[in-house]
This record gives sequence, structure tokens and C-alpha cells, in this order.
Amino acid sequence: EDQVTQSPEALRLQEGESSSLNCSYTVSGLRGLFWYRQDPGKGPEFLFTLYSAGEEKEKERLKATLTKKESFLHITAPKPEDSATYLCAPEAGTASKLTFGTGTRLQVTL
Amino acid sequence: NAGVTQTPKFQVLKTGQSMTLQCAQDMNHNSMYWYRQDPGMGLRLIYYSASEGTTDKGEVPNGYNVSRLNKREFSLRLESAAPSQTSVYFCASRGPVGEKLFFGSGTQLSVL
Repeated sequence: EDQVTQSPEALRLQEGESSSLNCSYTVSGLRGLFWYRQDPGKGPEFLFTLYSAGEEKEKERLKATLTKKESFLHITAPKPEDSATYLCAPEAGTASKLTFGTGTRLQVTL
Repeated sequence: NAGVTQTPKFQVLKTGQSMTLQCAQDMNHNSMYWYRQDPGMGLRLIYYSASEGTTDKGEVPNGYNVSRLNKREFSLRLESAAPSQTSVYFCASRGPVGEKLFFGSGTQLSVL
């Protein structure tokens, strides 16, 4: 059975304080790992897809990395507008559906 | 571009009532999905349709039915609503397997 665990559940940072979010997964034959951002009252918004171990992708203050068992979302010098819930979702190679983690709720304060 | 459109945005039902949540996408996507999101549980897949004419159960299908009406539309029906179905429901679609999902804005459903 596919399993996804995200940590921490919640994270509070001051503006400019860098940190990392973790996504540990167990799936059969990873097809891809997806990162989404979700703001309160809205649907998830796509950030990145990583397809193979060692791959990295960046977007503004965010960088996602992937190993065979984990993915990290690194946030460098965050701003208050980065406050949101971040979701990861691996997709197994034999399935056509994503399994979502419970997310990390990030709050960035001034 | 509208993307994925869900209706209604909010709904309150009494236990035992039925209703259908509507979802439409204008991106010519083959695959469509229904998820529910509950505090502490994350997004859980209810049903999905890999292509027009096919539907498959996800992780939590009990109490729900779906219809892939055509390539654009995928509806979710609650035949006899229960308080345990109080949740936020999201519809999503995508093109080829392996590509990103596009989500709608959600339906907040309360069953009293």
C-alpha cells in the first residue's frame, strides 16, 4: 500500500528564516512526485513535479529535491506570502492516481 | 480560461437527503478525479475516471456514486447523505498520466 508522511505538521518561521519540509513516501515504482501549495478556502495549486532521484527544481524561494525515499521542499528567506499548506503527492508507476500527504501548514511572520 | 469548475460552492444537507456535485473542465483532459479533504486526513481519493466511459474506485468510495457524463463533465452523487460525509470536496483533472492535476475551488458540504 502506498504511504506518504509529511513533517512537520505545522511550522512557524520568521521572515527570512530558511527551513525545509519533508515528505517521506513508500510507493511501488515511483512515476513522479508532486508538490502543491494550498491557501485557505482554495484548491491546491501546482508547484513542482520530480521524476527521478537526484532531481531538483526551483521556483522563486522554493526548491524541491528528491531521493528514493524522500522529497524535501526547501524554503529560503521566506516571506509572509509564503504562508500556506504544502502538500506532497507521489504517484506509483502502476496507478493513474496520486496519493496525498496530510500537508505541512507553514506560517511566516514579520 | 475557466479550468476546472465545481458547483455548488457551499451546500447544507439534512441526513438522508441526496445531492449531486457537478464538475466540468475545459482543458480537454482525459482523466478526472474526486477527492475529499478533512482536517488531519489530507486529500483522499473517492473515485476517478481515467478516460471517458470508465470510472474506478479510490480510497474512500462508500456512500458515493459517480458519472462521467462526457469528456468534460464528472459528477459525484450522494444518494443518502450522512454526517460523516461533511467535508470539502475537490474535483481535479489532468491530461496524460504523470502530468500535474488541476484542481477546482472546492465544494464545502455540511450534513446535519
